[in-house]
Amino acid sequence: RKEVEQDPGPFNVPEGATVAFNCTYSNSASQSFFWYRQDCRKEPKLLMSVYSSGNEDGRFTAQLNRASQYISLLIRDSKLSDSATYLCVLTGGGADGLTFGKGTHLIIQP
Amino acid sequence: DADVTQTPRNRITKTGKRIMLECSQTKGHDRMYWYRQDPGLGLRLIYYSFDVKDINKGEISDGYSVSRQAQAKFSLSLESAIPNQTALYFCATSDSGDSGRTDTQYFGPGTRLTVL
Repeated sequence: RKEVEQDPGPFNVPEGATVAFNCTYSNSASQSFFWYRQDCRKEPKLLMSVYSSGNEDGRFTAQLNRASQYISLLIRDSKLSDSATYLCVLTGGGADGLTFGKGTHLIIQP
Repeated sequence: DADVTQTPRNRITKTGKRIMLECSQTKGHDRMYWYRQDPGLGLRLIYYSFDVKDINKGEISDGYSVSRQAQAKFSLSLESAIPNQTALYFCATSDSGDSGRTDTQYFGPGTRLTVL
């Protein structure tokens, strides 16, 4: 099983719709979880951290399920500007760098 | 001004040439990282440094070396560039914080390197 797995998409979604992505991970010792957003040819930027209790930031909701080893991202009322690649990111059991998923490509259509 | 800067932003070079990519940060973070990104492979860690005297290999360090000249500067060298090192290279920083664990990382704008 790969360390971090994401559906690469693309997800083509009409503007205003709700879309959800999942990401599964194999290292049960992973301690911190994040969603990063990356626009084409740009650097990744933190979208939100993911906590066991779930957390919400405006139209975005992130959930962590440690028992099943997956995290999710829900985007409500999607905007054209949400079009990007969403990277699932986590830290390993040690104190090294982040482990990145390959990303899910989202396209919001007018 | 950007908090994390990379130079050059684009570089085309030939096989066998020595190349240095530079990264500077004004965030005051102690931890710095170099990643490469290839289509379909995602971001992969090359080297990382937790302070000036600390250098660690990442997932794909072969063919690369690094130097942490100061807390704010972390450079990546390709001693003898080869075509499969053509990629988008990102520098990143993070603050160790009280927990000592890696947390949010802040990325530079990237360097697009092409090795012919």
